[in-house]
Amino acid sequence: QPQLQESGPGLVKPWETLSLICSVSGGSIGGSYYYWNWIRQRPGKGLEWIGSVYYTGSTYYKPSLEGRVTISVDTSKNQFSLKMTSVTAADTAVYYCARDLGANDFSFEHWGQGTLVTVS
Amino acid sequence: DIQMTQSPPSVSASVGDTVTITCRATHGFYNWVAWYQQKPGKAPKILIYAASTLQTGVPSRFRGSGSGTEFTLTITGLQPEDFATYYCQQADTFPRTFGQGTRVDI
Repeated sequence: QPQLQESGPGLVKPWETLSLICSVSGGSIGGSYYYWNWIRQRPGKGLEWIGSVYYTGSTYYKPSLEGRVTISVDTSKNQFSLKMTSVTAADTAVYYCARDLGANDFSFEHWGQGTLVTVS
Repeated sequence: DIQMTQSPPSVSASVGDTVTITCRATHGFYNWVAWYQQKPGKAPKILIYAASTLQTGVPSRFRGSGSGTEFTLTITGLQPEDFATYYCQQADTFPRTFGQGTRVDI
């Protein structure tokens, strides 16, 4: 069973760049037929998909965030990352990384514990 | 984009009750819907995938059904540990989208 762990600063200043890493253990990102995903949850709100990256590096983003978000994968370190530029208070949220189920099912089977990022 | 409209936003129930939560999609698709349970301060946990397949280890009192534009999660015989927030998610196309959530409380 893979384990996912988010890491990164818990506090980011407005208009700066939010950078998070998801470290994966118990399975290799490289050559795996999974999408690796970032999902966030604003305080007291629902789940919001941010974007996905395949092990090849191909990406998909939420349209309203495209232009501010970059998701990339580093197979040598078995991790993937999220960068979000020009953050505002509206980007304050718990950020989760997740892996899909595989076998062409893109439900989110494995989740990290989440990391709270406050923009202030 | 496929939008998922989830209802009701909240439901009050008692132990032993049956609760039904519905998600309606703006565009029809086959069965790529998942249901998640989230408890306060915790990451979501997948319950159902492919609309009706129970994730390993999830009690059989959880049942998913539906296709096209309407999908349902039914919890039969609510247990104390089931009081949580539930989300649907479409896994058919990008961008992936979630329902707004249903809080099940006592």
